Amino acid sequence: DIQMTQSPSSLSASVGDSVAITCRASRPIASYLNWYQQKPGKAPKLLIFAGSKLQGGVPSRFSASESGTDFTLIISSLQPEDSAMYFCQQSYNLPRTFGQGTRVEIK
Amino acid sequence: QVQLQESGPGLVKPSGTLSLTCTVSNGSVTNSNWWNWVRQSPGKRLEWIGQILHTGKVNYNPSLESRVTISIDTSQNQVSLTLTSVTAADSAVYYCVGDQNYYGSNYYTFFKYWGQGTQVVVSS
Repeated sequence: DIQMTQSPSSLSASVGDSVAITCRASRPIASYLNWYQQKPGKAPKLLIFAGSKLQGGVPSRFSASESGTDFTLIISSLQPEDSAMYFCQQSYNLPRTFGQGTRVEIK
Repeated sequence: QVQLQESGPGLVKPSGTLSLTCTVSNGSVTNSNWWNWVRQSPGKRLEWIGQILHTGKVNYNPSLESRVTISIDTSQNQVSLTLTSVTAADSAVYYCVGDQNYYGSNYYTFFKYWGQGTQVVVSS
């Protein structure tokens, strides 16, 4: 299985800050990497697919980049509604695997 | 917008069988998408259980393959999950999830449609 390792496990930032979450794959997965946002009691919601493609309806303050086996989700100008868990997921092969999640809190 | 709704018992006894159904609305299970089951235990990461295509082709997570069956009922527009010999470790929120594809430089797939999830507790 491809292991996905996210960092940090949690972060706290102020409204208006820019934050970055990293996901590292245990082996090359090209751009087969997706990002999801999950709020308490809700199902995950797709934010980014194919490494850096923004899902329709997702605010443009969300962006993503990749470098080798490292993938980064960036939230620029953090908003109160961005308080949530964020997960990465590889779709390179089966079984599909997820990162352990990053909790983003607003100070 | 495709909508998914999971249903099934919220409580299952240890060593018993967990059975869940996912009803698809505003869409058809016979489209080209894969239909997945994903679970999330408290404090644990999301775990992919398996997937099925409308043709009946299935793929399972090797960690669960010996206990899992996923089936599809095109007449009812439903996908089902069965997990046998359950233990407390199988207690989780179970999600039904529909894939979507993107054709860019390669063929990409991602989890686009999520049900609200259903909590299953394994306890006597």
